[in-house]
Amino acid sequence: GENVEQHPSTLSVQEGDSAVIKCTYSDSASNYFPWYKQELGKGPQLIIDIRSNVGEKKDQRIAVTLNKTAKHFSLHITETQPEDSAVYFCAASNRDNYGQNFVFGPGTRLSVLP
Amino acid sequence: DTGVSQNPRHKITKRGQNVTFRCDPISEHNRLYWYRQTLGQGPEFLTYFQNEAQLEKSRLLSDRFSAERPKGSFSTLEIQRTEQGDSAMYLCASSEDLGDYEQYFGPGTRLTVT
Repeated sequence: GENVEQHPSTLSVQEGDSAVIKCTYSDSASNYFPWYKQELGKGPQLIIDIRSNVGEKKDQRIAVTLNKTAKHFSLHITETQPEDSAVYFCAASNRDNYGQNFVFGPGTRLSVLP
Repeated sequence: DTGVSQNPRHKITKRGQNVTFRCDPISEHNRLYWYRQTLGQGPEFLTYFQNEAQLEKSRLLSDRFSAERPKGSFSTLEIQRTEQGDSAMYLCASSEDLGDYEQYFGPGTRLTVT
């Protein structure tokens, strides 16, 4: 089955700096990769996603890149703000298998220091 | 629409008791998923429904766990004879039955078994 690894487990950056979180997956059949942000006491919130036929996707300060050959995908947050502090999870799934098999990484705790 | 809702938000129970959680998905979403999340980990898939049909169950879902979605709307997750190892956050998510099957999560029910 699919296995998703995520690094680093914790990340501290100064406000205004960039943050990068990296994930790897094992199943070459995976073709949909969402990223979730989870704040304390809340459920995960979908922030951006990417399909395997796209190499990069941007949404304001957030971008995701995908390297299918290497089975890597990364989340990039620019101009970080204190409200970006949260736990971030990557996930992988196979849309052709009706998308139910989301496999999540273990998470990265991002702290943005003012 | 107010998103996915879950009740109760917190539940403390004694070992051996039964507990039941409820999830109300986004109204137009046919698919409903249950996950378990332990501290410092990503969500782990438990089971999912398409309308009222339960189509997949994880091996994590022991015979003490049962989930229902009787009319294809809200769902319940029951844990019988709770054990301390059942202490976790139980998350519900829902998605449309098309596209990337983007999953939208509720706030979760935190279960503590004493």
